[in-house]
Formats: sequence, structure tokens, C-alpha cells
Amino acid sequence: GQQLNQSPQSMFIQEGEDVSMNCTSSSIFNTWLWYKQEPGEGPVLLIALYKAGELTSNGRLTAQFGITRKDSFLNISASIPSDVGIYFCAGRNNYGQNFVFGPGTRLSVLP
Amino acid sequence: EAGVVQSPRYKIIEKKQPVAFWCNPISGHNTLYWYLQNLGQGPELLIRYENEEAVDDSQLPKDRFSAERLKGVDSTLKIQPAELGDSAVYLCASSLEGSTEAFFGQGTRLTVV
Repeated sequence: GQQLNQSPQSMFIQEGEDVSMNCTSSSIFNTWLWYKQEPGEGPVLLIALYKAGELTSNGRLTAQFGITRKDSFLNISASIPSDVGIYFCAGRNNYGQNFVFGPGTRLSVLP
Repeated sequence: EAGVVQSPRYKIIEKKQPVAFWCNPISGHNTLYWYLQNLGQGPELLIRYENEEAVDDSQLPKDRFSAERLKGVDSTLKIQPAELGDSAVYLCASSLEGSTEAFFGQGTRLTVV
């Protein structure tokens, strides 16, 4: 079946630093989603991407739909302590099909 | 507006016992999902409903898992009998029909001992 890989698996950064993470797939996707999950909570949608090459921002977060349609990237600028959590990518290749989630990138922000 | 409500938040049961989880989606959301999330992994879809119809249950282990959404609103997920490997977080999500934005509940953390 379809599988997504996320890199890095975990990261520790200093408050104020920028963060970059990515998600890759062996299959082409037509929609990419990025979610954040905090301990004891369900995932919360951050950004949705619908077109190859698309660059979309949500506050300090920016995500890009890779040109090959097999990858996506999430950047967080000027990290703050509340950015701590697990960031999941999810993709699907056709409308009506289900999203496949990656294993997540665990972000820790040191004060 | 209330979000997706799940209960219970936590459940500890002995293996071979039955267990049920309940989900009330956001009002007006036709699509309801049940996901399984193992520790350190992303959510995996178990079943997706459009109104009261299960449109995708291909990943639901039907020998021990069952789900229902009788009136197209709230839903229950049951495991009978539970096995040690079923210990995980069970997430419910809902969305408007056709929307990519699914809203998740807080989940039920199941521990089978």
C-alpha cells in the first residue's frame, strides 16, 4: 500500500530558530495536508495543498506541494514553545479516496 | 460550536473482554471517520461513513471489530474480544461531505492488559 516517510523523525531546536521538515511518498498525490498533534489531543489541520508547486502560508507556517507531486515540505519560522508537538503529513491521490498519514515529526523547542 | 466529542477518554480492560467507543461528530458533518493510532505512528483509517453508510471499511478487522452509525449522526466502534495488540488511541473525525478538512476528537486511549 501507499506509504509516507517523514524527515526528520524528531528534532530539538532553540526558541526563535526556523524549522524545516519534509514528507515523501513513493506514489503521486493530488492533495497534501499538514496536521499538528499535541499530547492527549487529536490532530489539528494546519495547511492544505491542492496543486503541484503550490506554496501556502498560515501565520509562521509555510508549506509547499512538491513539483514531483511525491513530496511536501513544512517550514516554521521563529519557533516558539507552543510549536511543540508532532507534525503529520497526509496525502491522497484521488478525490473520494482516503488520506494516508505519515509517521510524524516530533518537534521540541528549547527555551 | 462543539467539536467532535469522544468517550470515554481512557479505558483499561482485560484481554478477551469487549469494549465500545462512542463518537458524536460536529453538527452537520455527513462524513465520519474512525482511525487507529499506535504509539509513535500516524493515524490509520479503520472505517469511513457517509451519513449512515459505511463507504470504506476495507481496513476494519471484521473478525473482532464492528462499527455502526444508525441514524447518520453519532457512531460507536466495538471490539470483541479485545487483544493485547489493540492497545492504541482510537480517534474519531468528521467533515462536511467532500471537504478535505477533517476535525478530530481527542481520542480514546485503550489499554488492554
